[in-house]
Amino acid sequence: AQSVTQLGSHVSVSEGALVLLRCNYSSSVPPYLFWYVQYPNQGLQLLLKYTSAATLVKGINGFEAEFKKSETSFHLTKPSAHMSDAAEYFCAVSSYSSASKIIFGSGTRLSIRP
Amino acid sequence: GAGVSQSPSNKVTEKGKDVELRCDPISGHTALYWYRQSLGQGLEFLIYFQGNSAPDKSGLPSDRFSAERTGGSVSTLTIQRTQQEDSAVYLCASSLDLPAAVTDTQYFGPGTRLTVL
Repeated sequence: AQSVTQLGSHVSVSEGALVLLRCNYSSSVPPYLFWYVQYPNQGLQLLLKYTSAATLVKGINGFEAEFKKSETSFHLTKPSAHMSDAAEYFCAVSSYSSASKIIFGSGTRLSIRP
Repeated sequence: GAGVSQSPSNKVTEKGKDVELRCDPISGHTALYWYRQSLGQGLEFLIYFQGNSAPDKSGLPSDRFSAERTGGSVSTLTIQRTQQEDSAVYLCASSLDLPAAVTDTQYFGPGTRLTVL
């Protein structure tokens, strides 16, 4: 079975500060990992995904995530937060053997303080 | 080009009634997914269609839930005898093929917010 745990349902940072959203996964097979973003009143949008290539994955809007097998983590970071980054972020996991079934975390709401 | 569209955007119904939710995937996308997003929770996988293969229904929570995909395009999610716990946002997504493929991406629709009174 696969699962993801997002630590912190709500994260608040100041504009210009580092953004760090935490995600830990559980998988008995090599995982594929994703970060999705949901802006207010919009659908989910893929930020980035890891599919066993480079462990440091760069996504849209300056976000990146690093796959750390030893820590079973896939944390999302951005060096400098912008007001437009305020949204809900979801970490998700699947695998080659069950690629049709993506398991999502419960989400982290990111707020940006002026 | 048009993205994934869903209708209605909002649906309010009474307990015990049946509802139908519609999803129009991106043209040419062979894979279609339904998810449910309950308040304060992540997305819950419901069902997956891929081409002409039998759908993966393993995520459907009960036999009151069913889905069809006609002609490999439009999909309808039907909930019979709705219950209050069915209240959620129902999201549809489509992709060219399997989402884990390096070159593939799931595209999500805006969702249908279902409220069961």
